Amino acid sequence: QITLKESGPTLVKPTQTLTLTCSFSGFSFSSSGVGVGWIRQPPGKALEWLALIYWDDDKRYSPSLKNRLTITKDTSKNQVVLTMSNMDPVDTGTYYCAHRLGYCTTNSCFASWFDPWGQGILVTVSS
Amino acid sequence: DIQMTQSPASLSASVGDRVTIACRASQSVGYYISWYQQKPGKAPKLLIYDVFNLQGGVPSRFRGSGSGTDFSLTISNLQPEDFATYYCQQSTSTPYTFGQGSKVEIK
Repeated sequence: QITLKESGPTLVKPTQTLTLTCSFSGFSFSSSGVGVGWIRQPPGKALEWLALIYWDDDKRYSPSLKNRLTITKDTSKNQVVLTMSNMDPVDTGTYYCAHRLGYCTTNSCFASWFDPWGQGILVTVSS
Repeated sequence: DIQMTQSPASLSASVGDRVTIACRASQSVGYYISWYQQKPGKAPKLLIYDVFNLQGGVPSRFRGSGSGTDFSLTISNLQPEDFATYYCQQSTSTPYTFGQGSKVEIK
């Protein structure tokens, strides 16, 4: 059974850097094709994909946030860390990590969807 | 970025009804469309991937269809546990984008 759980601060001040950790079980980055993504959701609004990291350390970012995001993994700890710099009140929302499903060839992966998701962590940006 | 547009934004239906939610992509995404269900205060749950493939454990009353730029999710014989918000996601290329959501409410 695959499970994921987000952890980190629930309140950050504007201009600060947010660091979120996704701890998971039931799969491992030691297996090819494995990936973990981050998705966020402002209160009452739609989902927004942020970033994705693959077993081979390949990384993908949302272009609109790329300058502020960093995604890393710790294979030995079964964790993925997302940092977002220069936080603003508009970044308030629930942040989810999720297990990536999709297709991979010998050279690359393509077509990703997400299941299951962590429970999410509500992050509020306020002074 | 590929823009995903869902319609309607909300609808009211009764138990036993059949409802259809549409999702249109701003460019072709082939067959790489996924659908999620989200209940209040909960994480999204994957229902369907690759247009029509049901994720394990998802009831067969959920059906996906379409190709290219136009897709739909149909729920037949609506059950009380189906009242939720539904999102489509294009799975074909980053940035992976979601529709704005369609809320299915009890009439």
